[in-house]
Amino acid sequence: GQQVMQIPQYQHVQEGEDFTTYCNSSTTLSNIQWYKQRPGGHPVFLIQLVKSGEVKKQKRLTFQFGEAKKNSSLHITATQTTDVGTYFCAGHQAGTALIFGKGTTLSVSS
Amino acid sequence: GAGVSQTPSNKVTEKGKYVELRCDPISGHTALYWYRQSLGQGPEFLIYFQGTGAADDSGLPNDRFFAVRPEGSVSTLKIQRTERGDSAVYLCASSDGGAGEQFFGPGTRLTVL
Repeated sequence: GQQVMQIPQYQHVQEGEDFTTYCNSSTTLSNIQWYKQRPGGHPVFLIQLVKSGEVKKQKRLTFQFGEAKKNSSLHITATQTTDVGTYFCAGHQAGTALIFGKGTTLSVSS
Repeated sequence: GAGVSQTPSNKVTEKGKYVELRCDPISGHTALYWYRQSLGQGPEFLIYFQGTGAADDSGLPNDRFFAVRPEGSVSTLKIQRTERGDSAVYLCASSDGGAGEQFFGPGTRLTVL
C-alpha cells in the first residue's frame, strides 16, 4: 500500500539556523499537505500543494512539491523557538485517504 | 467560530470493556475523519465519512472498531472488547470537502489497563 516517509526523524538547531524536512511517497500523489503539531497539541494545517514542481512560501517557510509528485520538502529559514514542534507531511492519492508520514520533530535552542 | 471538539478528553478503561468516543465537527463540514496516533507516530487513518455514510473504512484495524455518523454531523467511534494495544490518542478531523484542509480536534487519550 501507499507509504509516506519523512527524514530526519529528529532535528535540533540553534535559533537562527535553517531547517529542512523531506517527505517521500512510494506512489504518485494527487496532492500533499503539511501539518504542524506542537507538543501536547493536535495537528494544524499549514499548506497544500497540488501541482508538479509547485513552490509556496509562508513568511520563513518554503514548501516544494517534486516534479514527479512523489516527494516534497519544507524549509524554514532562520528558525525561532516558536517553530518547535513536529512537522508532518500527508499525501493524497486520488480517491484514497490522507496518509501521514511519521513526522520530523524540531527542537530549537536559543 | 467553534472548532472540532472531542469528548472525553481522557478515557481510562479496563481490558475487555466497551468504549465510545465522540466527535463534534465544525458546523457545515460534510467530511469527517477518525485517526489514531501513537507516541512518536503520525496520525493513522481509520475511517472517513462523507455525510452520513462511511466513504472509506479501510483503516479500521479489525471488527472491534466501528464508527457511525447518523445525522451527518456528530460521529461516535466505538471500540468493543478493548485491548491494551488500543491505547493511543484518537483524533477526529473535519473538512468542507474531500481533499482539502482538515481541521483536527484536541483528541481523546484512551488508556486500556
